[in-house]
Amino acid sequence: LAKTTQPISMDSYEGQEVNITCSHNNIATNDYITWYQQFPSQGPRFIIQGYKTKVTNEVASLFIPADRKSSTLSLPRVSLSDTAVYYCLVSGTGRRALTFGSGTRLQVQP
Amino acid sequence: KAGVTQTPRYLIKTRGQQVTLSCSPISGHRSVSWYQQTPGQGLQFLFEYFSETQRNKGNFPGRFSGRQFSNSRSEMNVSTLELGDSALYLCASSYIGQGSTNEKLFFGSGTQLSVL
Repeated sequence: LAKTTQPISMDSYEGQEVNITCSHNNIATNDYITWYQQFPSQGPRFIIQGYKTKVTNEVASLFIPADRKSSTLSLPRVSLSDTAVYYCLVSGTGRRALTFGSGTRLQVQP
Repeated sequence: KAGVTQTPRYLIKTRGQQVTLSCSPISGHRSVSWYQQTPGQGLQFLFEYFSETQRNKGNFPGRFSGRQFSNSRSEMNVSTLELGDSALYLCASSYIGQGSTNEKLFFGSGTQLSVL
């Protein structure tokens, strides 16, 4: 199964930019990279998805280098409400498309 | 469009009992996958159903089972409950699930199961 590796936890302060990197060395040619956000006692929520280079939406940016073996989720000017667990998922085919890694717990301080 | 609906939201059972959880996917979605999440743990994949067929299965004992109906609604069953089965059970729906490399998963709020 494709395996993703993320930092277990990160701390930040309000107003700062936060970058969370995910390693996915076994990514296949057709795989996409998708990030989800989860608050306590809720299901994960889709944040952003990309295949290569850079993708930006209203809440985040996703940077993917040319070799695609890693990706970085960038959250600009975080607020307390961004405190959550962030999951990186390699969206391939088969069972691995549904296998999440351990996630990164982001704690934003005032 | 209504989101993914899971019922019940909370459930308390005792060891040895069995439990059935329900998941109604977003209209038009044919794939439903189930996850177990325990405190401090990530999302553990249980199984995925597509068009009433189990297509993928995680590493869980046979006490965990599921099914999907013709309207794509899904149920999961846990028999002979153990204390360690206490967890948040989440389901996610998508159009075709693992058949597409850029599918997005839409999760319900989960069922919080407590086994006493």
